[in-house]
Amino acid sequence: GQSLEQPSEVTAVEGAIVQINCTYQTSGFYGLSWYQQHDGGAPTFLSYNALDGLEETGRFSSFLSRSDSYGYLLLQELQMKDSASYFCAVRDQGSGNTPLVFGKGTRLSVIA
Amino acid sequence: NAGVMQNPRHLVRRRGQEARLRCSPMKGHSHVYWYRQLPEEGLKFMVYLQKENIIDESGMPKERFSAEFPKEGPSILRIQQVVRGDSAAYFCASSLKGEDYGYTFGSGTRLTVV
Repeated sequence: GQSLEQPSEVTAVEGAIVQINCTYQTSGFYGLSWYQQHDGGAPTFLSYNALDGLEETGRFSSFLSRSDSYGYLLLQELQMKDSASYFCAVRDQGSGNTPLVFGKGTRLSVIA
Repeated sequence: NAGVMQNPRHLVRRRGQEARLRCSPMKGHSHVYWYRQLPEEGLKFMVYLQKENIIDESGMPKERFSAEFPKEGPSILRIQQVVRGDSAAYFCASSLKGEDYGYTFGSGTRLTVV
């Protein structure tokens, strides 16, 4: 089975940087994904890390350390529109027949 | 490209009625996943389907719930004899390949059982 842990809530100031952590336990491991979901909206895919290190996409970056079973999502130059829930997700087997398992999500509130 | 289409967006059912939720995947996607989300909670996996096949239904309750993805037409999640505890948002996602990590989600169906 799999389990993912992430903080339930984070508050940060507009323009600042925030890091949302995710630790996971899986029997195997084939990558960590991040999704964003605004209230009342659909989850949208943000990033994916299969290998250790940092992946940067604009203001968002995602980091993975496979040896620590740990990853994080880094949001820079925070904007009010970044207020949303952020979910990490894993698949613990490499075959195509296992769906993604999501964490419970971190609710980010960006304040002025 | 219309994305993943789910309907209805909102569905109200009385206890004991049936709920049918529809999902049309993105064009070219043959892998469909259903997730349930309760308020302030994460996405809980229910069932994974490919055309005419159920690949993994480990997250779906054994009773009252069923899912299909026929050769023609949308995927259907069916909940019989709904109870108040079935009230939730139900999201469908699709992917091109089973090993994809970038699922495309629909806007969800919000089911309310009264």
